Amino acid sequence: SSELTQDPAVSVALGQTVRITCQGDSLRSYYASWYQQKPGQAPVLVIYGKNNRPSGIPDRFSGSSSGNTASLTITGAQAEDEADYYCNSRDSSGNHPFGGGTKLTVL
Amino acid sequence: EVQLVESGGGLVQPGGSLRLSCAASGFTFSSYWMSWVRQAPGKGLEWVANIKQDGSEKYYVDSVKGRFTISRDNAKNSLYLQMNSLRAEDTAVYYCAGLIYVIRFGWFDPWGQGTLVTVSS
Repeated sequence: SSELTQDPAVSVALGQTVRITCQGDSLRSYYASWYQQKPGQAPVLVIYGKNNRPSGIPDRFSGSSSGNTASLTITGAQAEDEADYYCNSRDSSGNHPFGGGTKLTVL
Repeated sequence: EVQLVESGGGLVQPGGSLRLSCAASGFTFSSYWMSWVRQAPGKGLEWVANIKQDGSEKYYVDSVKGRFTISRDNAKNSLYLQMNSLRAEDTAVYYCAGLIYVIRFGWFDPWGQGTLVTVSS
C-alpha cells in the first residue's frame, strides 16, 4: 500500500517537545519528507531524507525513521510552530502520496 | 530569487478543460523533476503528477489518469497541467513544486503560491 497515515491533531505546551508520526509500508524502503503549512500559505519543506533541514529551518525540527514509521520531532515548540504538518514519501511505483496531515496546536 | 508562479486557474463547468502553467526562475529548471500538488478547500495536500527532467517519465495519481496531462518546456522554464473532463472534486488550489530525487527519497522544494481551480456549474 502507498498510503501514509497521520494522527489528525496533536497538541503541545509551549516550550515542550512533540512528535508527529507518519505510518506506511513505503517508509520501510524510502525516507519521508515533512512539510509545514500555515493557513493561506503554500507548504514549506522542513525535513527531508534521513534527517536534513533546509536552510532557514530552526534546529528544533528533526526527523527520524524506524520500520514503517517516520517521525517529525519539534524540541521546544514555539507559538509560530502551530500549523498543519504533512509527511510525504515516494512508493515503488513512482507515486508520491501525502499523509492526511496533522494539525499541531501549541498551548 | 528562486520562484515558481502558477497561472491559469479559474471557474470552469463540469466536463470542461483548463490548462495550468507554472513559470520557474532563479534555479536550473531543466535539472529538476517537477510536480503538481493540489489541495481541496479545507482538505489536505494531494500529490497529482510528476514529470522527469526530459519529460520521458510521467506519473499520475489514479483519480486523474486519462484526464490530466503534465508537460514541460525547458526552453521556456515552464511546467504545464492540461486538465480535461473536469469534475467538482477537482476543485482545489493547485501548486507547482520542484521535486528532487536521491536514491532512497525525494522532496518537494521549491513551491509556488498556488492557483485556484473551481469546477462548478
